[in-house]
Amino acid sequence: GAVVSQHPSRVICKSGTSVKIECRSLDFQATTMFWYRQFPKQSLMLMATSNEGSKATYEQGVEKDKFLINHASLTLSTLTVTSAHPEDSSFYICSASGAGQSYSNQPQHFGDGTRLSIL
Amino acid sequence: AQRVTQPEKLLSVFKGAPVELKCNYSYSGSPELFWYVQYSRQRLQLLLRHISRESIKGFTADLNKGETSFHLKKPFAQEEDSAMYYCALSGNNAGNMLTFGGGTRLMVKP
Repeated sequence: GAVVSQHPSRVICKSGTSVKIECRSLDFQATTMFWYRQFPKQSLMLMATSNEGSKATYEQGVEKDKFLINHASLTLSTLTVTSAHPEDSSFYICSASGAGQSYSNQPQHFGDGTRLSIL
Repeated sequence: AQRVTQPEKLLSVFKGAPVELKCNYSYSGSPELFWYVQYSRQRLQLLLRHISRESIKGFTADLNKGETSFHLKKPFAQEEDSAMYYCALSGNNAGNMLTFGGGTRLMVKP
């Protein structure tokens, strides 16, 4: 159980294009979803946290107008990279955690990631 | 602020040798610690967490609050253990938010 599907797995597009990445929890309700960015040979850096039905909380240094996050349902969150430029090229990973009485009972479950390449 | 440090980027051992992947953390409250593993070309998976106190695939990790450590150990490494391992921390007021260490690549040689 606890499967998270992320789509697409790979995107190559021209500079100036907006790219949408979807993250779905397939067999559980994800009250919270997280978006990470991972540079080559580096660890995951949290970009933002989104709770279903409310605005996302962005980490310091992450432009919310650049990286639009929508978490409209308990099974879907989207990350849109607006007007993407080559410096936005990276590996983006989502994770989801479900409802529970205590945060300690709900670990994060990760998607496969999306490799974004902006030409 | 919370921080997780994995001092070794790469750890190479021979099959059958003991393994210890180090993890130190900094957090003022009561943290919850996790180990995640990422096998080649696969997604990040939860390996174990300190509250469950269980052994997964022969790995164990004990939270040492005095030393602020959560080292991952296995007495006899197997080739299939080769992967990227990430230590992560969740604070008690962070709403499930995880802070990751830099990761350690474990290579188990035959």
